[in-house]
Amino acid sequence: KQEVTQIPAALSVPEGENLVLNCSFTDSAIYNLQWFRQDPGKGLTSLLLIQSSQREQTSGRLNASLDKSSGRSTLYIAASQPGDSATYLCAVCFNYGQNFVFGPGTRLSVLP
Amino acid sequence: EAGVTQSPTHLIKTRGQQATLRCSPISGHTSVYWYQQALGLGLQFLLWYDEGEERNRGNFPPRFSGRQFPNYSSELNVNALELEDSALYLCASSPPYRGRESPLHFGNGTRLTVT
Repeated sequence: KQEVTQIPAALSVPEGENLVLNCSFTDSAIYNLQWFRQDPGKGLTSLLLIQSSQREQTSGRLNASLDKSSGRSTLYIAASQPGDSATYLCAVCFNYGQNFVFGPGTRLSVLP
Repeated sequence: EAGVTQSPTHLIKTRGQQATLRCSPISGHTSVYWYQQALGLGLQFLLWYDEGEERNRGNFPPRFSGRQFPNYSSELNVNALELEDSALYLCASSPPYRGRESPLHFGNGTRLTVT
């Protein structure tokens, strides 16, 4: 069964701290992996997309890495800000089925 | 460029009724995905349409159905509504599935409440 898990489930940090969110998946046969943020009651905003052939992607203060062989991805957020407070979701597009499977998310709170 | 649009924003129905939710993808996108996000739960995959055809279906009963129109917009129908169908329904679009390099783009969702 194709599953995606995320740890921690929730995280609270003071403003300015660097942090890492983790995503694990059960099948290494993937097309790509995408990180999203979701604000309460809203849709999802795409942050980064990593193709299966890539090791990492960067956008501003965000850096996402991918290790297909170990079934893991990390999202690194540098110099966190209160505006970063949201739920962060990892989604994996597996070769079989070709639909995106989502993890349960990590709820991040950045305290001013 | 207009994003993915969903309508209505909110929908209130009574148990046993039918609900119809609509989604317009980004121009040029032919794939449409539907997800259910119940309160406190993760996103559950419902349906995937590409170029008018149903490509994949999640583990939901047959009363959840949909279709994709020639202009690539999509409709999700939920028959015989149950209380546990109350959720945020999210639609996403992407370019043709043969090009797996592109990210998913989501709409803001339809909040369905079943009373």
